[in-house]
Amino acid sequence: SQTIHQWPATLVQPVGSPLSLECTVEGTSNPNLYWYRQAAGRGLQLLFYSVGIGQISSEVPQNLSASRPQDRQFILSSKKLLLSDSGFYLCAWSEQGYRNQPQHFGDGTRLSIL
Amino acid sequence: GQSLEQPSEVTAVEGAIVQINCTYQTSGFYGLSWYQQHDGGAPTFLSYNALDGLEETGRFSSFLSRSDSYGYLLLQELQMKDSASYFCAVRANTNAGKSTFGDGTTLTVKP
Repeated sequence: SQTIHQWPATLVQPVGSPLSLECTVEGTSNPNLYWYRQAAGRGLQLLFYSVGIGQISSEVPQNLSASRPQDRQFILSSKKLLLSDSGFYLCAWSEQGYRNQPQHFGDGTRLSIL
Repeated sequence: GQSLEQPSEVTAVEGAIVQINCTYQTSGFYGLSWYQQHDGGAPTFLSYNALDGLEETGRFSSFLSRSDSYGYLLLQELQMKDSASYFCAVRANTNAGKSTFGDGTTLTVKP
């Protein structure tokens, strides 16, 4: 069966510090991968998605970047965190080539910027 | 672009039926999904409609009308554990399977 791992679960970082969140998927190959951010009481905002190794599409301009160095590894990064980067970050995957495939989410990282 | 509207809060009693509506505006519509998210947890997939009509999965059903750009999630025989946020999401007509999510409806089930 497929599983998705996302870490860390919580993170407290000072303003101006770097960030690296990692997400890995097991049990599938060539998945679509996604990074979302969720503000308190709000929906999920798509930040980045990837259809293959090294292929990253950004949905909104921001202080963050994403990379996909391996087929099932997706990394969210920042060189200098801003207060506005606080939020709940979720990684997700879906199958390629199936029109009604759902997205499967990791447990999320709650990021607080001080 | 895409936008979705759904009620922010719904309250119902245990054993009742509740309907959560979702209207959307989009280009390149492919399908409408529903996700459940318990407080502090990850969203989990509930259902998907690509064609008009009703899809039933146990106590949960989802409906879509493409001509009206409208769908709903129907929850029957409500249980306390159904208290959660419910999100509708529009699936774009791309290979990447991108989805735009609504802001969610918080369902509170009371005894």
